[in-house]
Amino acid sequence: RKEVEQDPGPFNVPEGATVAFNCTYSNSASQSFFWYRQDCRKEPKLLMSVYSSGNEDGRFTAQLNRASQYISLLIRDSKLSDSATYLCVVNIGNQGGKLIFGQGTELSVKP
Amino acid sequence: GAVVSQHPSRVICKSGTSVKIECRSLDFQATTMFWYRQFPKQSLMLMATSNEGSKATYEQGVEKDKFLINHASLTLSTLTVTSAHPEDSSFYICSASPDLNYGYTFGSGTRLTVV
Repeated sequence: RKEVEQDPGPFNVPEGATVAFNCTYSNSASQSFFWYRQDCRKEPKLLMSVYSSGNEDGRFTAQLNRASQYISLLIRDSKLSDSATYLCVVNIGNQGGKLIFGQGTELSVKP
Repeated sequence: GAVVSQHPSRVICKSGTSVKIECRSLDFQATTMFWYRQFPKQSLMLMATSNEGSKATYEQGVEKDKFLINHASLTLSTLTVTSAHPEDSSFYICSASPDLNYGYTFGSGTRLTVV
């Protein structure tokens, strides 16, 4: 089993749609959680951290369920510019802070 | 803040030569930096953890004699791909963070093509 697993995608949605990405992690020692966005042939960029209480940043909402070891990202009113690969990332805190990446979910927002 | 600079962004080299990639933290000190590799259509895979002033920690399956890491200062880590072969062609990215609970910042990556 992979340490971090995501929906395989790709997700093809029209502009304005709401889309949800799911992610599960296997290591219960995981301490911090992130969603990154990666555009084609570029480096990943931090979209948002994920907190146990859930957090929102504009059209983006992230949730964490530690009991189920599950993370989600909701994008509302999707824009063409949201097209990218979304990476679920977990910090295994007891391993020197190294990040473990999910395989990524590709999102394509169409006009 | 938390800017990581990586150089070069792209390199093409002949098989058998060595390539050095630099990763610098510009506005913070990084005792630890991470090196990742990403093949097309795949996610980032951690290669090694670079520790300032001590030996790097390599992930299982990564050859330490082939991928030499030097972290001689608090702002610079280098990855040298020695005797590169076409199968080493990949996107290499470094990352660092001023705080382990802070989102990590990535360098812009180095696209290596070995011909």
